[in-house]
Amino acid sequence: LAKTTQPISMDSYEGQEVNITCSHNNIATNDYITWYQQFPSQGPRFIIQGYKTKVTNEVASLFIPADRKSSTLSLPRVSLSDTAVYYCLVGVDTGRRALTFGSGTRLQVQP
Amino acid sequence: EAGVTQFPSHSVIEKGQTVTLRCDPISGHDNLYWYRRVMGKEIKFLLHFVKESKQDESGMPNNRFLAERTGGTYSTLKVQPAELEDSGVYFCASSPSFGTRTFFGPGTRLTVL
Repeated sequence: LAKTTQPISMDSYEGQEVNITCSHNNIATNDYITWYQQFPSQGPRFIIQGYKTKVTNEVASLFIPADRKSSTLSLPRVSLSDTAVYYCLVGVDTGRRALTFGSGTRLQVQP
Repeated sequence: EAGVTQFPSHSVIEKGQTVTLRCDPISGHDNLYWYRRVMGKEIKFLLHFVKESKQDESGMPNNRFLAERTGGTYSTLKVQPAELEDSGVYFCASSPSFGTRTFFGPGTRLTVL
């Protein structure tokens, strides 16, 4: 399994764009990059998944360079409610096998 | 659509006692997973059911942990006897049969004194 490295914590202010970068140097050809969000006292929640280039949904954007050795989760105009832990996972979330979580990035959004 | 539910939300027991955690997956989801996070550590996989069968139990820490999924619906995770190091948050997750994302429950916080 490809190991991921991401910052332990980040701070931001409301209305700013937040970019969280994840390194995954040993990503396999078949691996996707998936990001989960976890609020206090809740389980992780899927937010976005991609294979290459750029993926955007109503919550976030995911940027993946051509070599796929890293990825960046972009949260536009964060609010206080975006304070959470963000996990970068490498693999395929088909729902049919276990997920491997790293330590995640704790994002604190200040007013 | 109802999400994954877990019961209880919190449990405090003494070392040596038995505790049973319950998970109700999203209706129709054949895949059911148990994960846990002990204090200061990462979320770790425990086991995976496909319907009522154990697909992968490689993450179960020892034989004090017993998971069941009778009839392929809800699942229970029993810890007997509980030890101090079993304290943590136990998450259940589920997913349908064919390629999609995994949905997590809110977790059960277990404290062993």
